[in-house]
Amino acid sequence: GAGVSQSPSNKVTEKGKDVELRCDPISGHTALYWYRQSLGQGLEFLIYFQGNSAPDKSGLPSDRFSAERTGGSVSTLTIQRTQQEDSAVYLCASSLSLGLARNEQFFGPGTRLTVL
Amino acid sequence: AQSVSQHNHHVILSEAASLELGCNYSYGGTVNLFWYVQYPGQHLQLLLKYFSGDPLVKGIKGFEAEFIKSKFSFNLRKPSVQWSDTAEYFCAVSTGGGNKLTFGTGTQLKVEL
Repeated sequence: GAGVSQSPSNKVTEKGKDVELRCDPISGHTALYWYRQSLGQGLEFLIYFQGNSAPDKSGLPSDRFSAERTGGSVSTLTIQRTQQEDSAVYLCASSLSLGLARNEQFFGPGTRLTVL
Repeated sequence: AQSVSQHNHHVILSEAASLELGCNYSYGGTVNLFWYVQYPGQHLQLLLKYFSGDPLVKGIKGFEAEFIKSKFSFNLRKPSVQWSDTAEYFCAVSTGGGNKLTFGTGTQLKVEL
């Protein structure tokens, strides 16, 4: 595709519900990243996928957060039992491969999650 | 773990004024440095980046940044801003050969006509 796409663009949910956020990376990009931006905070790294390697989950804030990437393309970020502090904009990015020295991360428009 | 500080949270300038946005990071090893920009209603996009070599790097739209290792800084500059530069600017760092970006909290720049 022309760029990274994310869906939905906005999601409002009730506390305790599960949500799924989707990311479609740029075609041919093997690396995929999830970040989130909370009010008053910078963007925080959540998780990173590269090809068939095990993902780097070091940024996930709790075990309620998980992500998968099917077929090396589309990724889904799942938040279980949502809490109000999960409210944020969730950004997805993709790049050609490992090594930021050569490969810029391209960001999607984000999903704005509001937990009531 | 590395961290990034952007001390200017909101900056208001008149057109043609000069711009300098501060960015400091904390990490003792090799770093890769970035400035990203988010224009209103648009995606985050790369403005410029530094990996090695000349510490003065030039990016798109007349922006430049200087890496000063001794000061752990990577300040963004533009000699003469335009109204269209109104946006939020984020400094980011990655360490060594890593891929994770650590971002600052951002600086909201408003340029008035």
